[in-house]
Amino acid sequence: EVQLVESGGGLVQPGGSLRLSCAASGFLFSNYEMSWVRQAPGKGLEWVSDITASSSTIYYADSVKGRFTISRDNAKRSLYLQLNSLRAEDTAVYYCARVAHYETTFDCWGQGTLVTVSS
Amino acid sequence: EIVMTQSPATLSVSPGERATLSCRASQSVSSNLAWYQQKPGQAPRLLIYGASTRATGTPARFSGSGSGTEFTLTISSLQSEDFAVYYCQQYNNWPPLTFGGGTKVEIK
Repeated sequence: EVQLVESGGGLVQPGGSLRLSCAASGFLFSNYEMSWVRQAPGKGLEWVSDITASSSTIYYADSVKGRFTISRDNAKRSLYLQLNSLRAEDTAVYYCARVAHYETTFDCWGQGTLVTVSS
Repeated sequence: EIVMTQSPATLSVSPGERATLSCRASQSVSSNLAWYQQKPGQAPRLLIYGASTRATGTPARFSGSGSGTEFTLTISSLQSEDFAVYYCQQYNNWPPLTFGGGTKVEIK
């Protein structure tokens, strides 16, 4: 069974940092591009960042560029998102998502991890 | 950045009826358009890609159409499990990948 499991969310003060992890199983992780997508409470979906299978190309949304860093460890079948200089508007459920081979769509999602930025 | 606009924000439909959801792009995205379904407390699920191709496991009552800037998701006969929020997403010109604001399909 294809599965993505996020962890690392929690309550953090403005200006603080957090590292999210996503553990993949049930598929050949090293063959897939991966992304992070977030959803603020009661709001819609916002793409955050993308990393190719070999980590050769990385993209960020303007809203997080310079503050967040995406990375992966194919040997550990894991995806990461380092969140620095956090702001209240970063409060959201963060999903890791697998990018489909045939199109840049998200064909598998984790259950999400909640990040709350508040003093 | 391509802006995706969905309408209506909320659609009230009776079980068994047809639901038609719209998604408009601020510029052409060709057929590089996907639809997702999200139920409360759950992650989104891919329904349609390439504007009209059903993803694995998507029931035949879901159909997508359109190209360029105007797209439609049709649910031919709403089942109880179809009441959810639906999002469109373009992947023609990115970064960024962009989603619409969503349409909530609720029971009438």
